[in-house]
Amino acid sequence: QSALTQPASVSGSPGQSITISCTGTSSDVGGDNYVSWYQQHPGKAPQFLIYDVSKRPSGVSNRFSGSRSGNTASLTISGLQAEDEADYYCSSYTSASTWVFGGGTKLTVL
Amino acid sequence: EVKLVESGGVEVQPGGSLRLSCAASGFTFDDYSLHWVRQAPGKGLEWVSVISWDGGTTYYADSVRGRFTISRDNSKNSLFLQMNSLRTEDTALYYCAKDLIPFLQYDPGSYMDVWGKGTPVTVSS
Repeated sequence: QSALTQPASVSGSPGQSITISCTGTSSDVGGDNYVSWYQQHPGKAPQFLIYDVSKRPSGVSNRFSGSRSGNTASLTISGLQAEDEADYYCSSYTSASTWVFGGGTKLTVL
Repeated sequence: EVKLVESGGVEVQPGGSLRLSCAASGFTFDDYSLHWVRQAPGKGLEWVSVISWDGGTTYYADSVRGRFTISRDNSKNSLFLQMNSLRTEDTALYYCAKDLIPFLQYDPGSYMDVWGKGTPVTVSS
């Protein structure tokens, strides 16, 4: 199972919005599967950010939103804050009953 | 508070074996599927394995199938990963993670909503 494709890095200034893409196939992201996003700060465990493409777990800021078009899922962070600087990973359940992560995107807040 | 604490990670030689454990608390353990996910130094996340809430269903990544075995002891709120025939490429921080949805019927898991802090495994000669 190949990793989902994410940009290696994105950046933005405080207050701006950024979008991270996550491209897979019809067997994972594009299927009727579990698509999610995770945030990981350096030296910390991943944190659950988005599930079911666009739903936010309790406690996650509404500045984080998710969407999907075809085989590509996207994470948008609006009103960028310094604390948003982290690595972001998408993930999808696959038709083979396994899970696959994206390669990760490093967000830099300028 | 939901808590997962991994243990058992050490340095081992290639070809060796290791058993990781994950102690859970703060939720009804036997209601949920559980996952192992690993992260090699400086690299991204890699899903390793899942076990269903009742232990009856398990799945593995291609990279570990036939070498790793996931299991759980619901009486002790514990998850395990038996790792055999270890390779240098298995070097990573190993996380256990709780699944979001209880009593899944048609899929082995859904989302990893709570993660432990991880236990480091180094495979080196």
